[in-house]
Amino acid sequence: EDQVTQSPEALRLQEGESSSLNCSYTVSGLRGLFWYRQDPGKGPEFLFTLYSAGEEKEKERLKATLTKKESFLHITAPKPEDSATYLCAPPGGSYQLTFGKGTKLSVIP
Amino acid sequence: GAVVSQHPSRVICKSGTSVKIECRSLDFQATTMFWYRQFPKQSLMLMATSNEGSKATYEQGVEKDKFLINHASLTLSTLTVTSAHPEDSSFYICSARRTPYSNQPQHFGDGTRLSIL
Repeated sequence: EDQVTQSPEALRLQEGESSSLNCSYTVSGLRGLFWYRQDPGKGPEFLFTLYSAGEEKEKERLKATLTKKESFLHITAPKPEDSATYLCAPPGGSYQLTFGKGTKLSVIP
Repeated sequence: GAVVSQHPSRVICKSGTSVKIECRSLDFQATTMFWYRQFPKQSLMLMATSNEGSKATYEQGVEKDKFLINHASLTLSTLTVTSAHPEDSSFYICSARRTPYSNQPQHFGDGTRLSIL
């Protein structure tokens, strides 16, 4: 059974304090990994797709990296508007996404 | 801008009512759309995969007679919660993918908050 574990469950950062979020998984037939951001009461917003180990993608203060068994979302000098729940989802062999529970990030001014 | 539109954003209704939720892909045709359910502080759980022109594929434990899915066109899928009860109260989210390939991302609507009194 596909499993996705995200850590930490919650993370509080001071504005400007960089950190990393982790996504580890056991998925058969891995075909890449997606990162999403979800604001309260909203649907997930697509951030990145990573297709192969060693790949990196960047968007503003976010950088996502991928290994064979885990992915990291690095947040550099975060701002309060980066506060959200970040979800990772490796697509499994049956075309469906297996979401982790997410990391709730709070950036304090 | 948004590529998937979901309507309504919020529904409050009495027990026993049937509720229809619409999901539209705005600038692309989606042969496949997905319906998820999310409980507070939980992750998204896939309920069913909606296929244009054919029957939906339901996940284990999801009652197909309770959650009716219709995907009548390449840009519209609907989820009808029939005879809703308080335990059906949840956040329902749809998604669509621009291509049939699973290594392409799904794009999500903004969800429907369903509250059954």
